[in-house]
Amino acid sequence: DVKVTQSSRYLVKRTGEKVFLECVQDMDHENMFWYRQDPGLGLRLIYFSYDVKMKEKGDIPEGYSVSREKKERFSLILESASTNQTSMYLCASSFSGEVKNIQYFGAGTRLSVL
Amino acid sequence: QQQVKQSPQSLIVQKGGISIINCAYENTAFDYFPWYQQFPGKGPALLIAIRPDVSEKKEGRFTISFNKSAKQFSLHIMDSQPGDSATYFCAASKDTGFQKLVFGTGTRLLVSP
Repeated sequence: DVKVTQSSRYLVKRTGEKVFLECVQDMDHENMFWYRQDPGLGLRLIYFSYDVKMKEKGDIPEGYSVSREKKERFSLILESASTNQTSMYLCASSFSGEVKNIQYFGAGTRLSVL
Repeated sequence: QQQVKQSPQSLIVQKGGISIINCAYENTAFDYFPWYQQFPGKGPALLIAIRPDVSEKKEGRFTISFNKSAKQFSLHIMDSQPGDSATYFCAASKDTGFQKLVFGTGTRLLVSP
C-alpha cells in the first residue's frame, strides 16, 4: 500500500520562527510536491522536486524553501513564519514513469502561526 | 491560461440523488483531467480520470463527462450516499512527460441521509 507520511498533524508556531515540515514517501517516487490548502482557494503548489537535490518553484513559493537530500524525503521550510502562512500543508508524490500522473497525498499538517 | 474553475463551492444533495460538479479550463494543451476526493482529516486521493479522446468515463456510481469544444468537464455521482460526503477537486495537466497538476478550488459535498 502506498504511503506518504507527514511528520506532524498539527503544529503551532510563533511569528518569526523557522519551521520545518517533513514528508516521507515509501514508494520510490521521483517526484514530490508541497501544496497549501485554504478554503475557497483549493490546492496551490508551493514547490516541487523531480529528483534528489532538484527543486522547482510552484505558483506560490514566496516565503518558503525546500530541501530534498534523499529520494524519499522532501522538506518544506518556512524561514520566518508569518500569520498569513497559517494553513493546511499537503505533501504528495508521483512516479515519473506513470503516464497517468497520479499524485499520492499525505494526510496534511495543519500549521497555525500565532 | 493555467486556471481551472470549479463550481459550485458547496453542494447539498439528498441520499439517492445525483451530485453534479462542474469544471472549466482555458489551456487547450491540457489533456489529462482527474478528480480527487478528500475526506475530513485525510489527504486527497484519485477518484477517477479522463483523457479527451473519450467524452465520458464511468466507474461505478461516478461518471466524468467531457466536452472538449466547450473546455468543460464534470463529475456526476449517481445514487449519492452519505459516505460520498467529502471535498472534491478537479484538476488538469498535460499528460506527456512531467507536468504538474492544476487544481480547481474544490467542492464540499454533503449528502443528507
